[in-house]
Parts: sequence; C-alpha cells; structure tokens
Amino acid sequence: IAGITQAPTSQILAAGRRMTLRCTQDMRHNAMYWYRQDLGLGLRLIHYSNTAGTTGKGEVPDGYSVSRANTDDFPLTLASAVPSQTSVYFCASSDWDRGLNEQFFGPGTRLTVL
Amino acid sequence: DAKTTQPPSMDCAEGRAANLPCNHSTISGNEYVYWYRQIHSQGPQYIIHGLKNNETNEMASLIITEDRKSSTLILPHATLRDTAVYYCIVISGSARQLTFGSGTQLTVLP
Repeated sequence: IAGITQAPTSQILAAGRRMTLRCTQDMRHNAMYWYRQDLGLGLRLIHYSNTAGTTGKGEVPDGYSVSRANTDDFPLTLASAVPSQTSVYFCASSDWDRGLNEQFFGPGTRLTVL
Repeated sequence: DAKTTQPPSMDCAEGRAANLPCNHSTISGNEYVYWYRQIHSQGPQYIIHGLKNNETNEMASLIITEDRKSSTLILPHATLRDTAVYYCIVISGSARQLTFGSGTQLTVLP
C-alpha cells in the first residue's frame, strides 16, 4: 500500500450498534487525524494523535473514541451509533517533524446510520 | 487561528489561469497560509503553503500580499480536472489541526 487506506469504503449501520472505522498509513507519519464531513459542509476535526500512544480531542469529539497503539493505525470507534453521525469520515496523517502541516488524506468512509 | 474569507464560487475557462482569492486580515506573524482542494467525493489534497514570500510548485503559485492580509492561489493553466472546492486555511506554525471553512467551488468550463 502507498499512502493512507480506510475501511470500509461505505457502511449502513443500525442506530445503537458499535462500529470501528479503520485507518492505516505506510508513510511513518507521526501525526494522524480523523475528520467528518457532512453533506455540503467543510471538514471538522474529531480526534487527533500527535504520536503513537497519545490522542487528543478535536472540534466534534462527542460519541467517538480513538486509540493509537502504533504509528501506522488509528481506528475510530462509534460506541453506540446515532443518525446524526451519518457522514463521510476522512482519516489523514502528517509528518510534523518536517515542520509542515501538509496532511495526506485517505479516500474516506461513507457511513449511514439508520 | 485567523479567519479566512473566500468567494463561494468561481468559473474559469479551460486553459486559462484560475485566480482564487482569500482574505485573512487578522493573520498574525507566525501564521501560515495553506491551500487544499477537494475534488468531488475524494479526500482533500494539499496544494501549497507560504508564510510571507510567494511560492510556486508543480501544481500552483501562491501570491501573498506584502501586508499578508490576503493571498491568491493561481492555477496557471486550468483543466477540467481542476474543478474542485478550494480551501484557504491560516494556521500557526505550532498548530497541527486544520480548520476547513466552506471554501471556493471552482468550476473549469470547456
């Protein structure tokens, strides 16, 4: 793989179910991010991780949790999905050691909660 | 981080230069100007960034005014594949999270 991969590509989920969105990067970037994008709107940051073992809250963290056990993976979990979490989810990574905020984005996961 | 203002939409003829403006009148000294674009249904793509000097890469040029209160992204020879939403983001050098506004929808016309 090259860059960032996300899985699944799309998912329809019943309200109340638990769901984990997967994100893997092979660029050895230290920082990773999760954004959501609602129809017709800009991206909003959910959670981020500056380095393996650390995480932080973004603009809209409620209802979501993340973990960063290693450099490459940054899963996003919805413990009990609600319809307002219907959105497109983008994972991103960046190499902060280069002094740049150039983020590389994955292809996105389209999630529908019914 | 400084707030940015962009026109909601612009059109450009294929093969012509596309000039996308961004106002950031409250920018502070340590804040950079970043440009991203998002082609329909895809993840955003980094284009270019700058602090105070003009910058050019294989994708575009970034012109920042001397007072740094505004900037222009230039796509020198727009193609149909450049049709996308273009985001201007101002971010401090120590920050790591991008804040995406509503951007400019650029439509390149044949």
